[in-house]
Amino acid sequence: DAKTTQPPSMDCAEGRAANLPCNHSTISGNEYVYWYRQIHSQGPQYIIHGLKNNETNEMASLIITEDRKSSTLILPHATLRDTAVYYCIVFHVYPGTYKYIFGTGTRLKVLA
Amino acid sequence: DTAVSQTPKYLVTQMGNDKSIKCEQNLGHDTMYWYKQDSKKFLKIMFSYNNKELIINETVPNRFSPKSPDKAHLNLHINSLELGDSAVYFCASSQVSGGGNIQYFGAGTRLSVL
Repeated sequence: DAKTTQPPSMDCAEGRAANLPCNHSTISGNEYVYWYRQIHSQGPQYIIHGLKNNETNEMASLIITEDRKSSTLILPHATLRDTAVYYCIVFHVYPGTYKYIFGTGTRLKVLA
Repeated sequence: DTAVSQTPKYLVTQMGNDKSIKCEQNLGHDTMYWYKQDSKKFLKIMFSYNNKELIINETVPNRFSPKSPDKAHLNLHINSLELGDSAVYFCASSQVSGGGNIQYFGAGTRLSVL
């Protein structure tokens, strides 16, 4: 079972920041938070990941709460091409078990 | 160059047939995966290989048999295809280190069983 909970859908105006929340209240201390997105029926695409600290890269920012029970993915200036399903995954590398468990994700629609 | 490539992109076949899907990655990764995405868009892992060794085998019917001839290739053979096998199959690869496991996905193979 997925360890994360996300809203099923969200809308965002083009050019605005898209803030996508994720709850992972059962996360353990050595589990990372990963974000992927899937545009239409393409293969999922990695966006960003983090453990405790906030992270930023050229695609997005990841804000993780201090208790690590939730996080927010921020797309600072959403474009129409950011319309996709966004997945939040918690993951820990156990030896011999490199398994993501995908949830149902958030369907983000960026509106012109 | 495509990092993770799958062939074919589309596969239409009759029930009862046997088919294979091929996957190749040129990223030098040690670990490769097969995922299935059903009509409800739920993405679920099926198998994973690390350096040609099977490390993850979810509850998949034994009609599905992965084969990894080398660490750059992971093929999926499906025997006696059933209607319920219709789905999009994604291959992925990663290089696991510490807490890092960024997976790179192929474009998918859309399988339709008639």
